[in-house]
Amino acid sequence: EIVMTQSPATLSVSPGEGVTLSCRASQTVSINLAWYQQKPGQAPRLLIYGASTRATGIPDRFSGSGSGTEFTLTISSLRSEDFAVYYCQQYINWPRGGYTFGQGTKLQI
Amino acid sequence: EVQLVQSGADVKKPGESLRISCTGSGYNFTTYWIGWVRQVPGKGLEWMGIIYCGDSDTIYSPSFQGQVTISVDKSIATAYLQWSSLKASDTAMYYCAREGGDVAEGFEYWGQGTPVTVSS
Repeated sequence: EIVMTQSPATLSVSPGEGVTLSCRASQTVSINLAWYQQKPGQAPRLLIYGASTRATGIPDRFSGSGSGTEFTLTISSLRSEDFAVYYCQQYINWPRGGYTFGQGTKLQI
Repeated sequence: EVQLVQSGADVKKPGESLRISCTGSGYNFTTYWIGWVRQVPGKGLEWMGIIYCGDSDTIYSPSFQGQVTISVDKSIATAYLQWSSLKASDTAMYYCAREGGDVAEGFEYWGQGTPVTVSS
């Protein structure tokens, strides 16, 4: 099973700042990596797939990069609505191998 | 507009059975996969399984294999997640989400979630 490890668990930042979240895979997932945002009481929202492709309607202050085992999600110029929990997800062996989520990074003010 | 609408909240006793549903609309239901994701209160996301709505091909996470059953009724564009004997540890929010058709591109569309409480 591929294990996804996100760091840090919690990140405290101020509105207007930029931030980079990390996600590491226990073995290569190529670019089969997605990022999600989840706000309290809401379903997750797809931000990035294919490691760097923004999903429909996602603002360009969100960007993803990486391949293999190391990935980052960068949010430039944080807005109040960006404070949430962020999850990475791998799908290298889709569909038979399914998916694995990271444990999440909470972005707080 | 693509929508996934899930059944409402459920409260059950340990040992009872349960089936929750996820109805898709606004797209060709049979050419996409639907996945189920569990979220225990205060915890992260766990992938449970996915089903191809065209032919019911189903893949389970090893963590949930044998614990739940995923099915689909394409005549009414509805996917199901069911338990034959609930445990208190099944208390969680359950989400359905649509995956791509031929290629994986992440879960772009999500249901609103179904909270399940299992308590004696």
